[in-house]
Amino acid sequence: DAGITQSPRYKITETGRQVTLMCHQTWSHSYMFWYRQDLGHGLRLIYYSAAADITDKGEVPDGYVVSRSKTENFPLTLESATRSQTSVYFCASSGRGGHGNTEAFFGQGTRLTVV
Amino acid sequence: EDKVVQSPLSLVVHEGDTVTLNCSYEVTNFRSLLWYKQEKKAPTFLFMLTSSGIEKKSGRLSSILDKKELFSILNITATQTGDSAVYLCAVAGAGSYQLTFGKGTKLSVIP
Repeated sequence: DAGITQSPRYKITETGRQVTLMCHQTWSHSYMFWYRQDLGHGLRLIYYSAAADITDKGEVPDGYVVSRSKTENFPLTLESATRSQTSVYFCASSGRGGHGNTEAFFGQGTRLTVV
Repeated sequence: EDKVVQSPLSLVVHEGDTVTLNCSYEVTNFRSLLWYKQEKKAPTFLFMLTSSGIEKKSGRLSSILDKKELFSILNITATQTGDSAVYLCAVAGAGSYQLTFGKGTKLSVIP
């Protein structure tokens, strides 16, 4: 199906484990983003990517790793999960110029709980 | 550091009321301001504003930007229960590919 999809939708993991959240988009958008959403903080950018093999840090990158070997995929890895990483994670994509120039599309979100 | 402040944080109105949501911002080299609606899942795009004084409209929703005073408003007329959501405001600075979001305004429309 066309669009942007995230998997899994829900995940419970233990402290210290590695977790990978997947994001796939079918529009061939250049830009992809990972946000986390927490009560009291709103949406905060973790990492973004302007194209395949080009990634950069956002506002809260510590503890996360991203890669983008293919335009359509942008996985987010928590190398050693901590309870402070319990959050709802949103992936987004947009066309040329990133969010500021074009509409951004968000995935349905992944609710991650670290116990 | 870019900053976006939305007010009020929450609002309860009756169906048929008109509401105004506020967004003030500080951003280096402003490029655009965006409004999103978030129900229980993903934010969905409403408007993108780049020029001051030009109103964007979509049905009962409208928005306008004041670049001199650094704020935007989102108006919703004749509110319906389906308008209940969190409305997010975000800004992008020139040369930046990321958005800075406000904390949102939670709107509840009761019958």
